[in-house]
Formats: sequence, structure tokens, C-alpha cells
Amino acid sequence: DAGITQSPRYKITETGRQVTLMCHQTWSHSYMFWYRQDLGHGLRLIYYSAAADITDKGEVPDGYVVSRSKTENFPLTLESATRSQTSVYFCASSETGTSGTTDTQYFGPGTRLTVL
Amino acid sequence: GDSVTQMEGPVTLSEEAFLTINCTYTATGYPSLFWYVQYPGEGLQLLLKATKADDKGSNKGFEATYRKETTSFHLEKGSVQVSDSAVYFCALSTWGNTGKLIFGQGTTLQVKP
Repeated sequence: DAGITQSPRYKITETGRQVTLMCHQTWSHSYMFWYRQDLGHGLRLIYYSAAADITDKGEVPDGYVVSRSKTENFPLTLESATRSQTSVYFCASSETGTSGTTDTQYFGPGTRLTVL
Repeated sequence: GDSVTQMEGPVTLSEEAFLTINCTYTATGYPSLFWYVQYPGEGLQLLLKATKADDKGSNKGFEATYRKETTSFHLEKGSVQVSDSAVYFCALSTWGNTGKLIFGQGTTLQVKP
């Protein structure tokens, strides 16, 4: 199916374990993003990528690792999960905007992660 | 730095009431402005956008006008429905084509029949 998908949709893990959240988009969009959504904080950017093999930190990158070997995939890894990383994680993608601004971001359905 | 401020919620309205959700921004350059909506259990969806001053974005009965003089992008709808119950996020694009959006905190709207 076309669009942006995330897997798994729900994940329960334990403190200290490594967890990888997957994100896949079929539009060949240049930009991809990872956000976390927590009550009282809205959406906070974790990492983003402007193209394959180009990634950069967002607002809250500590404890997370990303890679982008292919344009369509942008996995997010929690190297050693902590309880504070319990959250809902959203992946998004967008095409390059014009006139120095970004274009619309399209969001995946989210992954609800619980760290015990 | 760039930022977006939304009115705090939750906002509770009766069906067919008029809706306004305030959004103001601080930005360098000339950002594009967006409203996204998140229905329960789902990801965010673009509701409308405006790319330059005085532009009006509209969709599904919702409207917002890009006001550069007041740095605002307030969301309005003349008659809300129960199905409009959701969280609404105001956002702006960052200048310099970095691809990033800056989001407000979100405003929860609950519409009662």
C-alpha cells in the first residue's frame, strides 16, 4: 500500500533492552522525521533526515540512534531503553519545499512504546 | 528561536457552535503556516496551510488567515460537529529549507451533541 507505515504499532519492552522502530514511505520523499508525543509536550523532534545517508539531531536526540541507508526507510533505535522513553512515536516524511520553506509533512499512524 | 504558541485546552463546545483556536508565532524570515489535526488513536493529518501573508487556508469548513502584522494564524469554523473532536496543532516551517516544522503544544477540542 502507498503511504507511510510504522511497525510495530505497539511495543512493550524492559529497561536496558535495545528497541528498533521501523518507518517506511513509498513516495520517495526527501525528508523524514521522528517525533515523540508526550502529554504536556506536544510533538518533539528527535531526529530528521534530508536524504539518504544524511541525518541530523532534533530537539531531543539523547538515547536514540537513526540511520537512513535507503530513501524509503528511516529506522529509530533506542540503544538502551529507559522508562522516560515511554511515549508515542511518530514518523513523518515530506518533499523538499520551495522558496526556502518546507512542504507538508505526512505522518505515520504511530508506535506506542512502553518501557517497563 | 522560532516558536508557536497555541491557546490551552481543552476546548469544549456544543454542536453547531463557533470555533476559534488561537495560534501566534515567532519566526525569522517568511515561514509557511500549517494546521494539523489528530483524531483519537491516529497520526497527524494536514488540515490546511498558508504560505504567505494574507493567504487564507481552508478545508472541511475550517479556515485560517496568515496575519503577518499580528503574527497569528487562528483556526476558525462556523459550526462544529461531534466528528470534529480531535487535537489541533498549529505549526510553522523553518526558514532555510531545513525541512523542519515547529509545532505548538496542541489544543484538544471536544464537541458535545
